Amino acid sequence: TQLLEQSPQFLSIQEGENLTVYCNSSSVFSSLQWYRQEPGEGPVLLVTVVTGGEVKKLKRLTFQFGDARKDSSLHITAAQPGDTGLYLCATANAGGTSYGKLTFGQGTILTVHP
Amino acid sequence: NAGVMQNPRHLVRRRGQEARLRCSPMKGHSHVYWYRQLPEEGLKFMVYLQKENIIDESGMPKERFSAEFPKEGPSILRIQQVVRGDSAAYFCASSPGTGAGRREARSYNEQFFGPGTRLTVL
Repeated sequence: TQLLEQSPQFLSIQEGENLTVYCNSSSVFSSLQWYRQEPGEGPVLLVTVVTGGEVKKLKRLTFQFGDARKDSSLHITAAQPGDTGLYLCATANAGGTSYGKLTFGQGTILTVHP
Repeated sequence: NAGVMQNPRHLVRRRGQEARLRCSPMKGHSHVYWYRQLPEEGLKFMVYLQKENIIDESGMPKERFSAEFPKEGPSILRIQQVVRGDSAAYFCASSPGTGAGRREARSYNEQFFGPGTRLTVL
């Protein structure tokens, strides 16, 4: 079983639409990170959320950490073709101290058509 | 400020040969991590190293795979006697050690990834 379950797996939308990607778990995390990966490149860190209920904004991207720190969402407003990529959530822990390896969700492949 | 560097970007090997993948962490980072990405499996942790020490190798196959991070020079992931199943993208990431880098990066283990090495085994 996956520690982090991401949904949907695939998302294909038109430019200008809004979308939400989810990252869920039955475990509690002290922090959770979102990465974006383009084809042929490595993941790029977008944000780290650490407080239950926290909302962080990065231009048209809004990240939310659930109150119970078990889930997170990424909302993109007015998607653009440049948003196309693989979106990954990851955590360095499952309730313990943050250290060592990151565990990733399976990812959401987003395609934004012009 | 250079990011994480990996070379080569692409590597082709025949079955039975050895593959050596190199990773230079970001300046000031003393922690290095290796991950493997397969289309059907996603991004999986392999090994975590600090200078001259292996901290966690729980994700590394027991045979044929080894990793090092010497006092001087890049981290090396070595795969001996490669098989077709080793074909994948291998990513290196680095993070600041304790006492270095942004407080958030240190506290929450934010890792910065290189562009990856795509290994193809013929």
